[in-house]
Amino acid sequence: EVQLVESGGGLVKPGGSLRLSCAASGFTFSNYGMNWVRQAPGTGLEWVSSINSHGTYKDYADSVRGRFTSSRDNAKNSLYLQMNSLRAEDTALYYCATGGFDIWGQGTMVTVSS
Amino acid sequence: DIQMTQSPSSLSASVGDRVTITCRASQGVSVDLRWYQQKPGKAPKRLIYAASSLQIGVPSRFSGSGSGTEFTLTISSLQPEDFATYYCLQHNSYPYTFGQGTKLEI
Repeated sequence: EVQLVESGGGLVKPGGSLRLSCAASGFTFSNYGMNWVRQAPGTGLEWVSSINSHGTYKDYADSVRGRFTSSRDNAKNSLYLQMNSLRAEDTALYYCATGGFDIWGQGTMVTVSS
Repeated sequence: DIQMTQSPSSLSASVGDRVTITCRASQGVSVDLRWYQQKPGKAPKRLIYAASSLQIGVPSRFSGSGSGTEFTLTISSLQPEDFATYYCLQHNSYPYTFGQGTKLEI
């Protein structure tokens, strides 16, 4: 079964850091680009970042550029999002999704609050 | 950045109705447009890719059309399980952008 499972969310203070993980199974992870998408409570979807299959190309939304870093470990079938200098407006459910946005995880919640 | 303007933001309809949702791009995105359905507490589900191609397993009452700057998602005969929020996504150029969403209500 093709599956993506996010983890690593939680409550963090403004200015803090968090690292999200996304574990992939059921497909050849190393062949696919991957994405992070977030959804603040009660609002719509926002693209956060994309990374190509080798991890050599990455792009970010302006709202997170310079603070968030995507990476991947193809040997571990895992995708990561390092989030630094977190702000209240980063509070959201964070999803990982395959490059075609056809497969999504269930999301992991990040809450930034003092 | 390409802005995606989705309309309407909400829509009241009944079982059996035909409904159309529109997304307009601020500049051309060719057919690099996808449609998603999201139900409360669930991840988005892809319905349409390449503007008009139906995702495997999605009922044929869903259809997409358009290219360039104007796109539509049509549900030919609403079923109870179709009441959800729908989003378009352009993936022609970074930053990828979603429409604001259309909440389809009874």
